[in-house]
Amino acid sequence: DGGITQSPKYLFRKEGQNVTLSCEQNLNHDAMYWYRQDPGQGLRLIYYSQIVNDFQKGDIAEGYSVSREKKESFPLTVTSAQKNPTAFYLCASSIRPEVGTEAFFGQGTRLTVV
Amino acid sequence: AQSVTQLGSHVSVSEGALVLLRCNYSSSVPPYLFWYVQYPNQGLQLLLKYTSAATLVKGINGFEAEFKKSETSFHLTKPSAHMSDAAEYFCAVSETNAGKSTFGDGTTLTVKP
Repeated sequence: DGGITQSPKYLFRKEGQNVTLSCEQNLNHDAMYWYRQDPGQGLRLIYYSQIVNDFQKGDIAEGYSVSREKKESFPLTVTSAQKNPTAFYLCASSIRPEVGTEAFFGQGTRLTVV
Repeated sequence: AQSVTQLGSHVSVSEGALVLLRCNYSSSVPPYLFWYVQYPNQGLQLLLKYTSAATLVKGINGFEAEFKKSETSFHLTKPSAHMSDAAEYFCAVSETNAGKSTFGDGTTLTVKP
């Protein structure tokens, strides 16, 4: 079945460590996105990519980095510069980076700093 | 700039009662609007979307929403609530592409037996 796979589902990080969240899609979608979700808040855009080897910062990119070396993969690295990384992270994709196309979401990764 | 306001962070209804979740948007251009549903510890799933073809949009699971430009609203309704409708609902607006959307803070729907 086609879809978006995020791994791991749960991730624990010690302060000062970098961690990488995986996002893979087999939908052949051009665009991919990373959102952060905190309790009682909506989703906030971290980074997005409309095409391979290109990506743009979203609203809260500080402390995060991404790469888009392959169409199907868009990993997110949470660096030690991110002051409050504990959150639920959602990866999404859309068939085209054009208005009117809906986003498909993965199941999320819950990151906890210990 | 686009923005979304969802009125009421928590809504509680009895099983079989009308569900009404409110969403108001702000956009400098004709918007594309979406409603998504999220079950605990899961991703979001699209319920329905407005893309200017019709003001009344029907979605999955019996939900529908009406786009009212004069009120800048896109409220979500369902005539009869079911226990399985208990979840968090997000309204989103997009001026560019769907993934790069602005989301509301969400409304948690509780359905009482």
